[in-house]
Amino acid sequence: GQNIDQPTEMTATEGAIVQINCTYQTSGFNGLFWYQQHAGEAPTFLSYNVLDGLEEKGRFSSFLSRSKGYSYLLLKELQMKDSASYLCAVRDGNTGFQKLVFGTGTRLLVSP
Amino acid sequence: DTAVSQTPKYLVTQMGNDKSIKCEQNLGHDTMYWYKQDSKKFLKIMFSYNNKELIINETVPNRFSPKSPDKAHLNLHINSLELGDSAVYFCASSQVSSGPAGYGYTFGSGTRLTVV
Repeated sequence: GQNIDQPTEMTATEGAIVQINCTYQTSGFNGLFWYQQHAGEAPTFLSYNVLDGLEEKGRFSSFLSRSKGYSYLLLKELQMKDSASYLCAVRDGNTGFQKLVFGTGTRLLVSP
Repeated sequence: DTAVSQTPKYLVTQMGNDKSIKCEQNLGHDTMYWYKQDSKKFLKIMFSYNNKELIINETVPNRFSPKSPDKAHLNLHINSLELGDSAVYFCASSQVSSGPAGYGYTFGSGTRLTVV
């Protein structure tokens, strides 16, 4: 089975940097995704890691350590519009098909 | 626009009723999914179809029955609705045979189901 943990809620100030951690335990790891979900909207894709290391994409970066079962999403130069939930999801390769298992999400509140 | 679209966006119904939610994707993906997001925002997979064949069927009451007439459509029918079925239901699609990048799912905008 899978177990994915994230902090429930975080707060930060506009312009700051915030790091959202995700730890996971899974029997068939085949990639880790981060999604952003604004209130009342669908999750949208942010980043994907399958190898160890850092993937950078503009203000957002994501890091993966497979040996530690650990990932983080780094958001720089925070903007008010970054207030949203951030979902960590692990792709389970055991089934032979894609199956994303989501964590409970981290609600980020950015204040002025 | 290329997208995953689901209807209706909102659904309010009484306990005991039967209702359906429809989903269509025009991304050419071969796999579609239904996820349920509860009040605590936890997204949990319910079903998945690959080229019209059921490949994932999580522990879901058999009052829920998915149907995929073709690989671009995946509908969800719910019988004898209960209060606990109230949630947001998301449809999603992906291309299983995608390359190493594997960019995960594209989600529909969700259907907020309220059972009263």
